[in-house]
Amino acid sequence: NAGVTQTPKFQVLKTGQSMTLQCAQDMNHEYMSWYRQDPGMGLRLIHYSVGAGITDQGEVPNGYNVSRSTTEDFPLRLLSAAPSQTSVYFCASRTGMNTEAFFGQGTRLTVV
Amino acid sequence: AQTVTQSQPEMSVQEAETVTLSCTYDTSESDYYLFWYKQPPSRQMILVIRQEAYKQQNATENRFSVNFQKAAKSFSLKISDSQLGDAAMYFCAYRSGLRGNKLVFGAGTILRVKS
Repeated sequence: NAGVTQTPKFQVLKTGQSMTLQCAQDMNHEYMSWYRQDPGMGLRLIHYSVGAGITDQGEVPNGYNVSRSTTEDFPLRLLSAAPSQTSVYFCASRTGMNTEAFFGQGTRLTVV
Repeated sequence: AQTVTQSQPEMSVQEAETVTLSCTYDTSESDYYLFWYKQPPSRQMILVIRQEAYKQQNATENRFSVNFQKAAKSFSLKISDSQLGDAAMYFCAYRSGLRGNKLVFGAGTILRVKS
């Protein structure tokens, strides 16, 4: 089992560029989420999904889009990157309400 | 909205000694879960321990244990017999039992272990 796989691990973007952070899980988990980690702020929820075809906004959704066409994949799109989106991004998944979240290894994104 | 506060930005402990990391939270809910995650320099988020609010007994996992004080909304992590591999950032996190679609994290505590 690979668990939760995020790609890429590192990325540098120029302001205004777009890109997609990939997240895939092979555990058949219904719940998937994207968080960003900033110094002194812990992790904050960007978007989440409770199943294929269902997504919703989290705490800091502006500037990000998501879709969930399959159970396995939950990509995060930055439409027009801004320096404020420089952060470490984590994808997480879990199977139900009373279960722990499994995290990917994170993507360090720098927007210059 | 729920909040989680970790008041210790950094802590240090001597190898083989015991250290306690503090966490307080604010919620009006009675059904929830609390977690401690460890983040080593590799960046991987590793679940250390979890506590269900309805359980009065404090959770333990080997050298890791919690002191869960529901009335005081406190959830501290005790690490016994500290090892060099325990050095990491530790995050306290809350999840609602009713609307559990997100984890609410504290700001984290950096733990340094001295040999």
